[in-house]
Amino acid sequence: AQKITQTQPGMFVQEKEAVTLDCTYDTSDPSYGLFWYKQPSSGEMIFLIYQGSYDQQNATEGRYSLNFQKARKSANLVISASQLGDSAMYFCAMREGWGSARQLTFGSGTQLTVLP
Amino acid sequence: GAVVSQHPSRVICKSGTSVKIECRSLDFQATTMFWYRQFPKKSLMLMATSNEGSKATYEQGVEKDKFLINHASLTLSTLTVTSAHPEDSSFYICSAREQRTFNEQFFGPGTRLTVL
Repeated sequence: AQKITQTQPGMFVQEKEAVTLDCTYDTSDPSYGLFWYKQPSSGEMIFLIYQGSYDQQNATEGRYSLNFQKARKSANLVISASQLGDSAMYFCAMREGWGSARQLTFGSGTQLTVLP
Repeated sequence: GAVVSQHPSRVICKSGTSVKIECRSLDFQATTMFWYRQFPKKSLMLMATSNEGSKATYEQGVEKDKFLINHASLTLSTLTVTSAHPEDSSFYICSAREQRTFNEQFFGPGTRLTVL
């Protein structure tokens, strides 16, 4: 079974509008972390936001917020006030358990295009 | 955030040659580094986990003798693609986790390998 599922291969949003990128995950480990990364066409992976499984509140970082619904095992990324520079590939990722050697598992990604 | 560098950023080589890619954590110590491979428009696939001073742990299906990984110090890991063939052409990304925190994982800018 897929550990991380991103069902939207491509999304379009009008500049200045908000957009939600979907992510669902599957794990039986009670301790896990959820991450969102942005990958522009240059290829670099840019860390956006992190949510721990025990965190009570949804994570927020500037225009990015994570809509964490634990019971539904979803961790959607919300980008408010979209900008043209937000056009990129977005990956949801999960790390199960603790320890520095635990690896990230990535979803298939969503290509976001912000329209002027 | 912490900085991870990769060198070279782009390499073109002839079939049969070996290529070494360096990954350095510039301002932090990384006990663990990860090597990923990414095909165009696809997700990141973990190749191996590299721990300083010990042998790398390879993911299933990744040839150890083909992709040699050395993690000689807390700031340097290298990936050598031996006897490269056109099917090894890909985008290779390294990532490092800071020793003090388990949350953030920092990525290098990637190396685009083209084997002719």
